[in-house]
Amino acid sequence: IAGITQAPTSQILAAGRRMTLRCTQDMRHNAMYWYRQDLGLGLRLIHYSNTAGTTGKGEVPDGYSVSRANTDDFPLTLASAVPSQTSVYFCASSDSAGGTNGYTFGSGTRLTVV
Amino acid sequence: GQNIDQPTEMTATEGAIVQINCTYQTSGFNGLFWYQQHAGEAPTFLSYNVLDGLEEKGRFSSFLSRSKGYSYLLLKELQMKDSASYLCAVMDSNYQLIWGAGTKLIIKP
Repeated sequence: IAGITQAPTSQILAAGRRMTLRCTQDMRHNAMYWYRQDLGLGLRLIHYSNTAGTTGKGEVPDGYSVSRANTDDFPLTLASAVPSQTSVYFCASSDSAGGTNGYTFGSGTRLTVV
Repeated sequence: GQNIDQPTEMTATEGAIVQINCTYQTSGFNGLFWYQQHAGEAPTFLSYNVLDGLEEKGRFSSFLSRSKGYSYLLLKELQMKDSASYLCAVMDSNYQLIWGAGTKLIIKP
């Protein structure tokens, strides 16, 4: 089934630890995105990639890094987790940056930093 | 700054019609999107408007007025499964989506 796979589904992480959230898509979409969703706030863009080999910073990039070595994979790394990074993280993709067919979202990773 | 406003919560009755409003102020405009998000799930794409007017898609319709910075999502013949949050998002001049906080729609029998 075409779509986006995120792993893990949920995680409890000790503060100060490093963690990578995985995201893989099989739709050959050029653009990919990482968002965090917190109660009462809209989805906030962390990092994005318009095409393989390029990445850009979103609205809330501090404490996070990404890479886009190929079209399918877009991992998000927390170098040293802090409690304020407790959130639900969604990976999304679109056929192109500025695409009008909408984004496809993964099922999310619920991260708790303690 | 960029801002998307939509009501926090709305309640409607099964079988009725509900209109969810969204107003926006963004740096540039390249279209407005509506998404549906059931609790604990990912958002799913509902509609896209870039020109003024009404776009109808089954029980759901979306309206846009660019001069007023305004859109609404109209849901007809409400069903219990329509209970969800509805997210308004505007694509700005950099082709990035700016998201509203979402409207939680509660459907009562």
